[in-house]
Amino acid sequence: DAGVIQSPRHEVTEMGQEVTLRCKPISGHNSLFWYRQTMMRGLELLIYFNNNVPIDDSGMPEDRFSAKMPNASFSTLKIQPSEPRDSAVYFCASSRMGQTYNEQFFGPGTRLTVL
Amino acid sequence: AQTVTQSQPEMSVQEAETVTLSCTYDTSESDYYLFWYKQPPSRQMILVIRQEAYKQQNATENRFSVNFQKAAKSFSLKISDSQLGDAAMYFCAYRSASGDDKIIFGKGTRLHILP
Repeated sequence: DAGVIQSPRHEVTEMGQEVTLRCKPISGHNSLFWYRQTMMRGLELLIYFNNNVPIDDSGMPEDRFSAKMPNASFSTLKIQPSEPRDSAVYFCASSRMGQTYNEQFFGPGTRLTVL
Repeated sequence: AQTVTQSQPEMSVQEAETVTLSCTYDTSESDYYLFWYKQPPSRQMILVIRQEAYKQQNATENRFSVNFQKAAKSFSLKISDSQLGDAAMYFCAYRSASGDDKIIFGKGTRLHILP
């Protein structure tokens, strides 16, 4: 079974550029989560989807951040324009709502560096 | 709102010894799920163990076990026979059983294993 797939694994970009992070959830999972992890703020939930519909985007820091889930097997997190303070590791996780524990399975993360 | 607190930012344990990581949480709900996730240097988030609030028996997974004290809202993780591969950041997490898919994470405890 393939786990959650994220791409790219590493991204280095310059301030002001657009950045797009991609995620493929585990097949059959119907909830998808985007997290950001930094030393200062720890693990923060940015947004989550259920059945491709955004349920809670209260963690999205600014309008520069946007996320989409056009179908059950793909999601993107876009930052436009990027800033140095967006440098972090971004995780995507998926789960199957309706199961007892509904634990989240995480992807390997994308390390983003904005110069 | 629910919160998860890990009061030990860092801990160290001698290889082969036993260590306990603390976690407390705050909630007004009676049914929920608790998790411990491990994040090794590879940064992959790995589910270690899980517990349902209605189950009185403490969960156990090989060398990992929990001490779940519902009245005290405490959920500590015990690692027996510590191994070098246990060195990681450990996150305690909470999820409501009442439909919300969100998982609330603590700030984490970094565990060092001393050879």
